[in-house]
Amino acid sequence: EAQVTQNPRYLITVTGKKLTVTCSQNMNHEYMSWYRQDPGLGLRQIYYSMNVEVTDKGDVPEGYKVSRKEKRNFPLILESPSPNQTSLYFCASSSSEKGSTDTQYFGPGTRLTVL
Amino acid sequence: QKEVEQDPGPLSVPEGAIVSLNCTYSNSAFQYFMWYRQYSRKGPELLMYTYSSGNKEDGRFTAQVDKSSKYISLFIRDSQPSDSATYLCASLRSNYQLIWGAGTKLIIKP
Repeated sequence: EAQVTQNPRYLITVTGKKLTVTCSQNMNHEYMSWYRQDPGLGLRQIYYSMNVEVTDKGDVPEGYKVSRKEKRNFPLILESPSPNQTSLYFCASSSSEKGSTDTQYFGPGTRLTVL
Repeated sequence: QKEVEQDPGPLSVPEGAIVSLNCTYSNSAFQYFMWYRQYSRKGPELLMYTYSSGNKEDGRFTAQVDKSSKYISLFIRDSQPSDSATYLCASLRSNYQLIWGAGTKLIIKP
């Protein structure tokens, strides 16, 4: 089954404790992206990757890091989480960067709470 | 000003009604427009996309773009309780980055 998986689905942590949210897709997609979703603000792109070892900042990259060492995986790293990073996070993938006109497949989301 | 504006609702209508969901955008260079549907505790999924102005129909769903007024609409005919979800509009920047509206929560009452 074609899918994007994220782990963990729920996470409660404390300020400053480094964490990683994993994302994996099984569709051989080149383009992957991380979003955060906040009430009233919709989806905002954090980082995206057009292929292995190619990443770039989205609209809200501050406080986040990513890496793309393999095509299928695109982890999101919070080196020193703060309460304003409490949000719902989505990973997405599609077959090419141009296909942001193509379907973007989203993971199930990770709800992060930073105390 | 946000590049894509969308009323968050909620919008509550009775089953069988015609639903109209709307967004406005500010960048006249936008050419591609998408509608995604998001059920509670799920990621968004693509419903439809349109290019430039005009209508596109898919079953009970019709997407409409009016570039002169920078207005995007999604119509749902014969609405069903299973259509209850949050509907997100999105537009594509020239660098292929998607810009999203805040989403409208739709409730279809049986």
